[in-house]
Amino acid sequence: SQQGEEDPQALSIQEGENATMNCSYKTSINNLQWYRQNSGRGLVHLILIRSNEREKHSGRLRVTLDTSKKSSSLLITASRAADTASYFCATDPIETGFQKLVFGTGTRLLVSP
Amino acid sequence: DARVTQTPRHKVTEMGQEVTMRCQPILGHNTVFWYRQTMMQGLELLAYFRNRAPLDDSGMPKDRFSAEMPDATLATLKIQPSEPRDSAVYFCASGSYSAEAFFGQGTRLTVV
Repeated sequence: SQQGEEDPQALSIQEGENATMNCSYKTSINNLQWYRQNSGRGLVHLILIRSNEREKHSGRLRVTLDTSKKSSSLLITASRAADTASYFCATDPIETGFQKLVFGTGTRLLVSP
Repeated sequence: DARVTQTPRHKVTEMGQEVTMRCQPILGHNTVFWYRQTMMQGLELLAYFRNRAPLDDSGMPKDRFSAEMPDATLATLKIQPSEPRDSAVYFCASGSYSAEAFFGQGTRLTVV
């Protein structure tokens, strides 16, 4: 079963705009990760945020984590056409006692030139 | 450039046939995951291994699917007998504890 759900399911923006995607999950976690998938390809890791962290940055990416609300957001600033892809959050639930990455449903991002 | 290698990349088979998918994890990674991706179900975790030992395969249909790691350089996922509903892209990923996972390019399986 899937742990997380991303919102929105699809997002269409213009180049230069910011894109925000949200992820909600169900159980307590060790960490939360965001991945990107280009059509027909494997997933690529973007950023990992641990349960004791609230915000993390990597280049044009900014991730927040609110463990009290069991939610996370991914912000891509100054988007580019090359950012067009599906974005997934993945959680590592504490309940398992060891790393188990469970993926959400994904957000399809379309960035138009 | 270390990467996870999956073979074959594409597989078309007839219903009832055995299918074997292979994965070579990144050297030194102690965790291996198998996922299945479909439009309807998204990314489903089928099984995962830590230090070659299966930790959880509860996401896998037990009657027809099996996953093994005969050695540290090879993970296999078998379907016997295959059914049309098994058509999907199967991903292998490897990683280390509480760190990022590296994904292979996937095996696109079509069962006709």
